[in-house]
Amino acid sequence: DVKVTQSSRYLVKRTGEKVFLECVQDMDHENMFWYRQDPGLGLRLIYFSYDVKMKEKGDIPEGYSVSREKKERFSLILESASTNQTSMYLCASSSIWTGSYNEQFFGPGTRLTVL
Amino acid sequence: GEDVEQSLFLSVREGDSSVINCTYTDSSSTYLYWYKQEPGAGLQLLTYIFSNMDMKQDQRLTVLLNKKDKHLSLRIADTQTGDSAIYFCAERTLNTGFQKLVFGTGTRLLVSP
Repeated sequence: DVKVTQSSRYLVKRTGEKVFLECVQDMDHENMFWYRQDPGLGLRLIYFSYDVKMKEKGDIPEGYSVSREKKERFSLILESASTNQTSMYLCASSSIWTGSYNEQFFGPGTRLTVL
Repeated sequence: GEDVEQSLFLSVREGDSSVINCTYTDSSSTYLYWYKQEPGAGLQLLTYIFSNMDMKQDQRLTVLLNKKDKHLSLRIADTQTGDSAIYFCAERTLNTGFQKLVFGTGTRLLVSP
């Protein structure tokens, strides 16, 4: 059974704290993604990585950074958490092969609250 | 840029058909997708359609694609309470590169008994 796991389901942090969200996939996928989900705004891409140590900014990278030191693991870092980063964070992975429909597989999400 | 729009909410009775609509702006779409998100869970791929197709049927699901109007719809026949969820359409386009998807805002489907 293929899996994308995220380190926490719920997280509460204080303004100004450094926050790490971890994502691990067991499918040997090259691509990994971080999204945030907000009501009425859908999913917005924060960062994406297509290989170890490679990253590309998505639509809303401000206030976030990422790290991909191993193929199976992709971390999202909030350098100094702010209340407007309260959201649901979703990690996904996919194969790099573009010859088919190339499904993205999602983790269960981390609901982050910044007080 | 790329934009994918959906209505936010749909309510139906159990046994009726549900139709969820989506419009997109990027004409270079290659694949279009429907994902389902159940409460407290991540997204799961329901179905997809290649851009050279008009229709795809998969059991209770029918996907219709109108490329001229850039309109995608998902019809769920005999809707059940277990179909209550948020449904996202998404597109993969030449402009976004082959690896990324652009997601819509999501439509919350509520099925009442």
